Amino acid sequence: NAGVTQTPKFRILKIGQSMTLQCTQDMNHNYMYWYRQDPGMGLKLIYYSVGAGITDKGEVPNGYNVSRSTTEDFPLRLELAAPSQTSVYFCASSYVAENYGYTFGSGTRLTVV
Amino acid sequence: GQQVMQIPQYQHVQEGEDFTTYCNSSTTLSNIQWYKQRPGGHPVFLIQLVKSGEVKKQKRLTFQFGEAKKNSSLHITATQTTDVGTYFCAGILTDNNDMRFGAGTRLTVKP
Repeated sequence: NAGVTQTPKFRILKIGQSMTLQCTQDMNHNYMYWYRQDPGMGLKLIYYSVGAGITDKGEVPNGYNVSRSTTEDFPLRLELAAPSQTSVYFCASSYVAENYGYTFGSGTRLTVV
Repeated sequence: GQQVMQIPQYQHVQEGEDFTTYCNSSTTLSNIQWYKQRPGGHPVFLIQLVKSGEVKKQKRLTFQFGEAKKNSSLHITATQTTDVGTYFCAGILTDNNDMRFGAGTRLTVKP
């Protein structure tokens, strides 16, 4: 049982490049989330999904896209990377029930130069 | 927009001293969760509080949810070096079911 797995762990992008951050979970959680964490700040929700085929914008969706074709996978796509997207990105998942917290992946540290 | 505020931003204590972080919301929360993030790590779920006035304990950690369900606190008794990290609260807003994270309190412990 691996939990939530994110790849890659580190990446350096040039301005204008694109990339996909991968996230997969093996806990059969319906809910999945993408957060970004800037230095000394809390977590800001980018996108979330309540189940396969359903996605919704969070607080800071601009510059990102997601898809949820399966329960397990929730990739985050960055198009035309900008320095403002330099951050640590966390994927998380949870059960529908309210009594369970989020399980986070180990994060992807992205630098845009 | 609606936010969950957390204070203090930083706290440095001597090992053995107590530590408290506070979380406040301008709007009523359905529940509140607490997470710990070790340096360089990812947030790890600690606990969830749901009921007004609820108090829960985990060994040296005591979590409280305010009577009005707008504030919460985490208290650590007799800190240890293993307590080092950033503690985040996360509340679910009752009016739109959005979850909002506080900015976190970074705890350092001097041996």
